[in-house]
Amino acid sequence: ETGVTQTPRHLVMGMTNKKSLKCEQHLGHNAMYWYKQSAKKPLELMFVYNFKEQTENNSVPSRFSPECPNSSHLFLHLHTLQPEDSALYLCASSQRAHRGAGGSGANVLTFGAGSRLTVL
Amino acid sequence: TQLLEQSPQFLSIQEGENLTVYCNSSSVFSSLQWYRQEPGEGPVLLVTVVTGGEVKKLKRLTFQFGDARKDSSLHITAAQPGDTGLYLCAGEGDNYGQNFVFGPGTRLSVLP
Repeated sequence: ETGVTQTPRHLVMGMTNKKSLKCEQHLGHNAMYWYKQSAKKPLELMFVYNFKEQTENNSVPSRFSPECPNSSHLFLHLHTLQPEDSALYLCASSQRAHRGAGGSGANVLTFGAGSRLTVL
Repeated sequence: TQLLEQSPQFLSIQEGENLTVYCNSSSVFSSLQWYRQEPGEGPVLLVTVVTGGEVKKLKRLTFQFGDARKDSSLHITAAQPGDTGLYLCAGEGDNYGQNFVFGPGTRLSVLP
């Protein structure tokens, strides 16, 4: 496996269900991200982890709960979601979380293929 | 808050035509990336530009970073149906603690 792998690729859930999205990166990167992509909206940053520590929570509702057990794995736990939460959830990784977090050169994101979530 | 704007939002052209997509901001970025995203997939990095005024070429694609590092353009020569997709620009903040910010994207359709 190479790059960033996301599972499942598609998920349909009811508003009372609990499910999790999984992301794994094989690039040796130190930072991992969750983004939400809805129709007609720019990519929305949800969470950032740098060396397993959460460095950013972009005012995300508590029904989304991230978990980063190590630098290679990232989860997004979902519970009591709303239909408006239906979207493509993208995981990404990069060498560092932001400018000034160590390292040199341009910092670029490598994305997974995404998990398409539909909330009924 | 840093924002990136992209224009046009939608573009439909015939195979063989040339086109330019723009990415603009009032903020300075330490680097700017262009990604292409196909339906059902994640964005894939095309190029990173770092130096003001920098020009990079990737086959038929030419990328330019503005002198002040606030804007960028993507020019495609002789577009092909395989160029169809959503083109996203993303800037990394110039200051400590600033993360990536994405533009809304330009959806390009190249008709055979």
